[in-house]
Amino acid sequence: SQQGEEDPQALSIQEGENATMNCSYKTSINNLQWYRQNSGRGLVHLILIRSNEREKHSGRLRVTLDTSKKSSSLLITASRAADTASYFCATGFTGGGNKLTFGTGTQLKVEL
Amino acid sequence: DTAVSQTPKYLVTQMGNDKSIKCEQNLGHDTMYWYKQDSKKFLKIMFSYNNKELIINETVPNRFSPKSPDKAHLNLHINSLELGDSAVYFCASSRDYGRSQYFGPGTRLTVT
Repeated sequence: SQQGEEDPQALSIQEGENATMNCSYKTSINNLQWYRQNSGRGLVHLILIRSNEREKHSGRLRVTLDTSKKSSSLLITASRAADTASYFCATGFTGGGNKLTFGTGTQLKVEL
Repeated sequence: DTAVSQTPKYLVTQMGNDKSIKCEQNLGHDTMYWYKQDSKKFLKIMFSYNNKELIINETVPNRFSPKSPDKAHLNLHINSLELGDSAVYFCASSRDYGRSQYFGPGTRLTVT
């Protein structure tokens, strides 16, 4: 299976702390994307990093990509209660058109 | 002014019935997708259309038939519904290959 795996499966932190989620995948990719899903809602795109990029920032989000280790991390700094959600990585594979293969997700809970 | 919309939001039906889920996007995107998310939140692509042409057709039973009447719409028809079809179905769209995808709010299908 080309499905990515995320670690940890669940993470509980206090507001103001940083949250780090990791994603590993198995084959070559064109890009890697992170999405957020609030309970009962659709997925929202957060950030896209291309295979020739190593790091990308967007507001409080920082994504890294290590293609040699086939892994990526998402860091959310100064977390807020509103960041509580499931976070998914998704990989776009070479020759796969725009097919995204999603990871298993990390459930993040930010407590007040 | 919703970007990607789906109807219905909830669908409860009995085994053996035939049902359709509709999706519309007003983003002017060329590519649309159907995903299935199971009870463990695992998200898997089912179909992808680019400019009304089928591009991706994962291993999905023939009972599932997508139809794209135009670039802005991608409907999903399901024949002879089974218990295992119960899931949340998400429609998504993207401008092109290798781009971020915009997801609809999902349709929760329950087959009894």
